[in-house]
Amino acid sequence: DAKTTQPPSMDCAEGRAANLPCNHSTISGNEYVYWYRQIHSQGPQYIIHGLKNNETNEMASLIITEDRKSSTLILPHATLRDTAVYYCIVRVVKDNQGGKLIFGQGTELSVKP
Amino acid sequence: NAGVTQTPKFQVLKTGQSMTLQCAQDMNHEYMSWYRQDPGMGLRLIHYSVGAGITDQGEVPNGYNVSRSTTEDFPLRLLSAAPSQTSVYFCASSYSVRGRYEQYFGPGTRLTVT
Repeated sequence: DAKTTQPPSMDCAEGRAANLPCNHSTISGNEYVYWYRQIHSQGPQYIIHGLKNNETNEMASLIITEDRKSSTLILPHATLRDTAVYYCIVRVVKDNQGGKLIFGQGTELSVKP
Repeated sequence: NAGVTQTPKFQVLKTGQSMTLQCAQDMNHEYMSWYRQDPGMGLRLIHYSVGAGITDQGEVPNGYNVSRSTTEDFPLRLLSAAPSQTSVYFCASSYSVRGRYEQYFGPGTRLTVT
């Protein structure tokens, strides 16, 4: 699975958009990009995933560059409850590798009043 | 649904003791995993399973055993506890549908080895 690079920490003002970047320059054509977050001491929570196209759900938007070497997770109106560590993960979805997610260090997002 | 449950929530062991961390899920997910998270670090994969009777090693398998006799249960056994195994242990179950791969995590077991 391709390796990802994320900034260790970011700040965001409450109510503003939080844009979290992720570099995955060695991504393969059949690897998806996944985002999870971990709020203090809890288990990680799935946010969104994508392959080539931009994706949006009730939690966030995912923008993937055309060459797929990087992506950005956007929280459109960050709240204090979005303060968490955000993990960007790329992986191939193979039936015989289900259960195998490799987490990096993530980005610690602090949303400030 | 209870989701993913883990017991115990907290545990203190002495060096050399053995114990089993329990994990159960009621979502009929094929895939289950165990992770550990040391203070200030990301999660590291210990073992995972793609179905009953099938397990494989993750990034840091040494000192741990797993078995998967049923779809619901995936216990993690510490063979001879060491202080380096002091950590928070998370169990997860997951499914994969059309590229969506979502893992559901349990609340964690906080283990201290003295």
